[in-house]
Amino acid sequence: GENVEQHPSTLSVQEGDSAVIKCTYSDSASNYFPWYKQELGKRPQLIIDIRSNVGEKKDQRIAVTLNKTAKHFSLHITETQPEDSAVYFCAASEPSGSARQLTFGSGTQLTVLP
Amino acid sequence: DAGITQSPRYKITETGRQVTLMCHQTWSHSYMFWYRQDLGHGLRLIYYSAAADITDKGEVPDGYVVSRSKTENFPLTLESATRSQTSVYFCASSRDRGNQPQHFGDGTRLSIL
Repeated sequence: GENVEQHPSTLSVQEGDSAVIKCTYSDSASNYFPWYKQELGKRPQLIIDIRSNVGEKKDQRIAVTLNKTAKHFSLHITETQPEDSAVYFCAASEPSGSARQLTFGSGTQLTVLP
Repeated sequence: DAGITQSPRYKITETGRQVTLMCHQTWSHSYMFWYRQDLGHGLRLIYYSAAADITDKGEVPDGYVVSRSKTENFPLTLESATRSQTSVYFCASSRDRGNQPQHFGDGTRLSIL
């Protein structure tokens, strides 16, 4: 099955700086890569996603890049703000049975210091 | 976001007891999923369902049972709860087979004593 590795596990940045979180995946059949943000005690919420036919996608201060050859994708947050502090999860979607399964990375605790 | 609801939000039970976690969605999404979230493991898929009466095992299905008699409901049952099943359980739904976003419920925090 799919294996998703996420780094770093913790990340602290100064407000206004950029943050980068990286993930690698193992199954070349994976073709959908969402990123979720989870605040303490809350549900994971989708913040951006990318499909394998696209190399980069941006949404305001958030961007995701995908390198299919190297099997890695990254989340970039620019001009970080204290409200960006949360746990971020990457995931990869692989075919399995009657649906495509999402396999999640183990998460990155991002702390934005004021 | 109120389109997918989980109940109860918190549950404490004892080992050996049966417990059922409920999940209800109002979006008419075909696909529904159950995950457990444990520190250091992220989210792990327990079971998923492509439609009513179609269910499949995920990564960690042992000790769990699911059913889907109606499209909008996807209950998860722990037939004989064990301490290792103490976790936060999230239900999610998706409009499409897998290349569409999954939307999560608020979760159920389950403690097994």
